[in-house]
Amino acid sequence: DTGVSQDPRHKITKRGQNVTFRCDPISEHNRLYWYRQTLGQGPEFLTYFQNEAQLEKSRLLSDRFSAERPKGSFSTLEIQRTEQGDSAMYLCASSPGQRTLEGTQYFGPGTRLLVL
Amino acid sequence: AQKITQTQPGMFVQEKEAVTLDCTYDTSDPSYGLFWYKQPSSGEMIFLIYQGSYDQQNATEGRYSLNFQKARKSANLVISASQLGDSAMYFCAMREGRGLTGGGNKLTFGTGTQLKVEL
Repeated sequence: DTGVSQDPRHKITKRGQNVTFRCDPISEHNRLYWYRQTLGQGPEFLTYFQNEAQLEKSRLLSDRFSAERPKGSFSTLEIQRTEQGDSAMYLCASSPGQRTLEGTQYFGPGTRLLVL
Repeated sequence: AQKITQTQPGMFVQEKEAVTLDCTYDTSDPSYGLFWYKQPSSGEMIFLIYQGSYDQQNATEGRYSLNFQKARKSANLVISASQLGDSAMYFCAMREGRGLTGGGNKLTFGTGTQLKVEL
């Protein structure tokens, strides 16, 4: 049983650079979510896809952030012109569309971003 | 107002003892779901247990049970027979709405409780 995978697991970048993260959901899940977690806090919702459609975006998702899920399978999250405040763990989750545990979300291992 | 409140930043428990982690929530939606996740130091969020707002019985999953008190808006996690491997951060989360259609799918998390199991 393959879980949610994320790549890379760690990323160090300099302020002003662009970074892109990838998430591969559980294969039969049609819903995919991105969250951001800063130190000492719980994850905060960023955006959500159902298949390839991006259905909801948080106000946290500034213009520098963009997410895609072009074929309804994997997703990418890009941050342009990174800032030190973008340093965080970026978590991806997926859930089935069926009425299974009311759409429980299963998380990947996360990508830790450090902006110097 | 905070939607999910976890008032215990840290808890200690002796191995083989039971421990209760507190969670209160705030919503005006009659339909919602409550979740508990475990986050070890490696960072991955591991799903533990789910309780739906319309569920009549408290959820149980192995050594985990959820003490759901709807009138008090609390959803405490009980871990029985604690093990050293239970040491981790525990998060309570809520999904408002049915979660089956376009809206209301995001989870709102609390700030977590750090649990340390001691010998």
